[in-house]
Amino acid sequence: ETGVTQSPTHLIKTRGQQVTLRCSSQSGHNTVSWYQQALGQGPQFIFQYYREEENGRGNFPPRFSGLQFPNYSSELNVNALELDDSALYLCASSLVPQEQYFGPGTRLTVT
Amino acid sequence: AQKVTQAQTEISVVEKEDVTLDCVYETRDTTYYLFWYKQPPSGELVFLIRRNSFDEQNEISGRYSWNFQKSTSSFNFTITASQVVDSAVYFCALSEAGGRDDKIIFGKGTRLHILP
Repeated sequence: ETGVTQSPTHLIKTRGQQVTLRCSSQSGHNTVSWYQQALGQGPQFIFQYYREEENGRGNFPPRFSGLQFPNYSSELNVNALELDDSALYLCASSLVPQEQYFGPGTRLTVT
Repeated sequence: AQKVTQAQTEISVVEKEDVTLDCVYETRDTTYYLFWYKQPPSGELVFLIRRNSFDEQNEISGRYSWNFQKSTSSFNFTITASQVVDSAVYFCALSEAGGRDDKIIFGKGTRLHILP
């Protein structure tokens, strides 16, 4: 059984650009959550998708948006990148509440 | 409000010593879950334990043990006979069961150095 995968592994973008991060959920998992982990901090909840609908959102501006596809994979889009968006972005999938399985993350650097 | 506090930012111990990582949480829910994760330098979050609010039994898994005390809202983690491979950042986390989503609220982490 394949676990949660994320792509790309690393990414470098320039301030003002847009970025799309991808996450493939574990087989059968219908819920995907995204987290941002800035350097030296704990992960912070961005939003969650359940069966293609946004199911909850943390304290992030609208330029952070997401999508979940019928196969339950997901994308995180960030527009108008800022230097503070540099972070490790973690995706987690789940089928049962409170049983989230995390992917390896995408490290985004904004210059 | 939900919150997790890990007061110890960084700890260094010599190999084979025991070490305890502290975690204090805040929640208004009566049903919630507590977690510990390990994050090695590679960055991936490694799940260690999940505990629900109705199960206050302490747990031991090999060299790892967890002490859950609702009276003090604490969920401490002890590593016995520490090893260099235990060096990592450890996160305590909380998830409330009453919300629409099951977001996980993380503490800021404790960086643990095990010195050979």
